[in-house]
Amino acid sequence: KAGVTQTPRYLIKTRGQQVTLSCSPISGHRSVSWYQQTPGQGLQFLFEYFSETQRNKGNFPGRFSGRQFSNSRSEMNVSTLELGDSALYLCASSLAAVYNEQFFGPGTRLTVL
Amino acid sequence: GQQLNQSPQSMFIQEGEDVSMNCTSSSIFNTWLWYKQDPGEGPVLLIALYKAGELTSNGRLTAQFGITRKDSFLNISASIPSDVGIYFCAGPTNAGGTSYGKLTFGQGTILTVHP
Repeated sequence: KAGVTQTPRYLIKTRGQQVTLSCSPISGHRSVSWYQQTPGQGLQFLFEYFSETQRNKGNFPGRFSGRQFSNSRSEMNVSTLELGDSALYLCASSLAAVYNEQFFGPGTRLTVL
Repeated sequence: GQQLNQSPQSMFIQEGEDVSMNCTSSSIFNTWLWYKQDPGEGPVLLIALYKAGELTSNGRLTAQFGITRKDSFLNISASIPSDVGIYFCAGPTNAGGTSYGKLTFGQGTILTVHP
């Protein structure tokens, strides 16, 4: 079974731009969670989607948004990029809501200049 | 909110040595997960623990769910160079009344293995 895939792997943007990251979960997994990883803050939860609905959200500004499609693929968007948004963005999928085991993709490394 | 404290922050060991690391919380967790992350990659799930007192092995790795449900331990026996990486503990978080899809992570333990 293929693992979680994320595209692109690397991205360089400038301040003020917006960016869209994509995540394809493991086949059959319907829950997709997004995390931001930085050296200073570690891994921080952004949001979770299940059956195209956002069911949980972390403490991030409204510039961070996401969505999930009917095939469980998910995208996250960051608008008006700031330097502090430079991070590794990780997507994780799990089989169902009641299972806590999450399987991560390789991440998208975003650099904001 | 719920926080996980991992220790030690880093370890430098010789190949063949055993490794122990732990994770503690002020809150009760119903699940403990241990992940390993290599540079530039996403975390890989090593072991999942679901019951207090549970001891689970995965090859040379053994993890335990503390009986107080506020801590967990990971041991690596006979370390090898490919064990190098960052090890994270994690657990589902109920902040805000729901834990859907949200894991809280420890700060990580950086493991270096000298051949």
